[in-house]
Amino acid sequence: GEDVEQSLFLSVREGDSSVINCTYTDSSSTYLYWYKQEPGAGLQLLTYIFSNMDMKQDQRLTVLLNKKDKHLSLRIADTQTGDSAIYFCAEARWRNAGNMLTFGGGTRLMVKP
Amino acid sequence: DTEVTQTPKHLVMGMTNKKSLKCEQHMGHRAMYWYKQKAKKPPELMFVYSYEKLSINESVPSRFSPECPNSSLLNLHLHALQPEDSALYLCASSSGGAADTQYFGPGTRLTVL
Repeated sequence: GEDVEQSLFLSVREGDSSVINCTYTDSSSTYLYWYKQEPGAGLQLLTYIFSNMDMKQDQRLTVLLNKKDKHLSLRIADTQTGDSAIYFCAEARWRNAGNMLTFGGGTRLMVKP
Repeated sequence: DTEVTQTPKHLVMGMTNKKSLKCEQHMGHRAMYWYKQKAKKPPELMFVYSYEKLSINESVPSRFSPECPNSSLLNLHLHALQPEDSALYLCASSSGGAADTQYFGPGTRLTVL
């Protein structure tokens, strides 16, 4: 099974806030990432948070990290139809050449007009 | 500029064909990656090159052969593939430093007939 877990699906109305949750297992992870993937496209880096931080805000995006519970969340304020995509969280673990990513299964966000 | 480019965008090949996927980055990154992504799944790591040397091979079948001609280019040579190898192949690059954030290309959609 996957070490990083996400819920499969989230549906919100345009203008509402979206919260996508993720749990991970490796307490030694240094960085945690959120990527967005639109249909037929590659992964777009949205934001990341260093493991010694609790929160990071970047425009409409807010990342919260609870290290004790190994829980990561991504809040998208004022969600737009263009935010409809699959969102992957990923934890970075040091291995050989650098930080290798372990991805969650992805959460499909559907934004209704 | 955080762009990783991949060619071709789409590729259809028979099981006896030989083809190559190409990836390029001009961010001065020292690590480059190949991932395979099946539909509705997260990316799976295949290979990692660090400073133009292969550092990780995730037990990938020999019908996939990576090559790193220089620090900006990464190829994936394909030979005698199977229909189950049909997937989106993603290339990524990273600086190789402590904050080793990976940037992804748009991918090559491969179909094996």
